[in-house]
Amino acid sequence: DAMVIQNPRYQVTQFGKPVTLSCSQTLNHNVMYWYQQKSSQAPKLLFHYYDKDFNNEADTPDNFQSRRPNTSFCFLDIRSPGLGDAAMYLCATSRGGEQFFGPGTRLTVL
Amino acid sequence: QKEVEQNSGPLSVPEGAIASLNCTYSDRGSQSFFWYRQYSGKSPELIMSIYSNGDKEDGRFTAQLNKASQYVSLLIRDSQPSDSATYLCAGLRATNKLIFGTGTLLAVQP
Repeated sequence: DAMVIQNPRYQVTQFGKPVTLSCSQTLNHNVMYWYQQKSSQAPKLLFHYYDKDFNNEADTPDNFQSRRPNTSFCFLDIRSPGLGDAAMYLCATSRGGEQFFGPGTRLTVL
Repeated sequence: QKEVEQNSGPLSVPEGAIASLNCTYSDRGSQSFFWYRQYSGKSPELIMSIYSNGDKEDGRFTAQLNKASQYVSLLIRDSQPSDSATYLCAGLRATNKLIFGTGTLLAVQP
């Protein structure tokens, strides 16, 4: 089945230790998104790629970076995680409006 | 004023009843709207998309859009305990970005 895959599903890191989250898709969608979602809040858009064009939200901290080496894969790098970065990180893809989410990565920062 | 507003709930309905979830939006430039269902600890799942004024039905779900009133709703007929979740309303901007409401928590009582 075509889908959006995120790895790992659960990630534990230490304060300040870099971490990379990955997302892959078999939908061949041209747009990919990274969201951060904290408990009882709406998903918050961090970045999105329209094909190779990178779009950064104005309020996304510099601590967060992203890479999209090809159509299928996208990575979220958190350079120095703080306690406030503990959240669910969601990857989504779209073509023509509808967005489809992966299962998410739950990040814990100790 | 938030771009997409929802009553946070919880909305409690008995099993078998109709659940009515409402959403208002402020950006008249948003033309497409989506309803996502999100179970606790899981990622959002797209359940309905609506692009034009009127009603759109899919199984037990009916989405309604009124662009003049800037109002979107989701009706769930014959509500089941398995429908208990947070329902997120989202509008699509021309920039390929979804603007989410904060979600309405639905509790279906057996």
